[in-house]
Amino acid sequence: DTGVSQDPRHKITKRGQNVTFRCDPISEHNRLYWYRQTLGQGPEFLTYFQNEAQLEKSRLLSDRFSAERPKGSFSTLEIQRTEQGDSAMYLCASSLSPFDTQYFGPGTRLTVL
Amino acid sequence: AQTVTQSQPEMSVQEAETVTLSCTYDTSESDYYLFWYKQPPSRQMILVIRQEAYKQQNATENRFSVNFQKAAKSFSLKISDSQLGDAAMYFCAYRSASGNTPLVFGKGTRLSVIA
Repeated sequence: DTGVSQDPRHKITKRGQNVTFRCDPISEHNRLYWYRQTLGQGPEFLTYFQNEAQLEKSRLLSDRFSAERPKGSFSTLEIQRTEQGDSAMYLCASSLSPFDTQYFGPGTRLTVL
Repeated sequence: AQTVTQSQPEMSVQEAETVTLSCTYDTSESDYYLFWYKQPPSRQMILVIRQEAYKQQNATENRFSVNFQKAAKSFSLKISDSQLGDAAMYFCAYRSASGNTPLVFGKGTRLSVIA
């Protein structure tokens, strides 16, 4: 069991560029969550998947954000036309079922210049 | 909507001593889960302890224990025999028992351990 992994760990981009992050959950975990954490704050929910189905999206997830989980395994989070306000740590978590503990990855730190 | 409040932005404790981190929450639900997560500097968040609201007994994991007061909507974390490795951000989190809701986190408490 290698845990939840995220790639890249750090991303620096210029305003207006598109970025994509990847999350690999723990094997056989059906639930996958994306959170965003800004400096001095706790993580805030963005969206989650049950297998390949995206079940809920937060109001934080503007139309510039899109997430996918093809085949119910890894997930990607894309941000289009990045803004400086998108600078944050993007955390991925997975759980075996809706009622089980969520295990977090190391996060992707995004800096938008 | 549920909210979680951690009123102590920073705490410090001497090595080997005991420290208590506070957390209060607001919900109209009767069945839910509460969690304490630890986030060491530049490292990933890990679960410290979990409490089911329907259980009256307070959860304990080695040196970590909670004081769960359901009526007061309070969920504090006690760390006994503090170690240098306990230094981290600690987040209190809430989740409805329905299973179809994400975690709701507090803003965190930064714990420093003094040698």
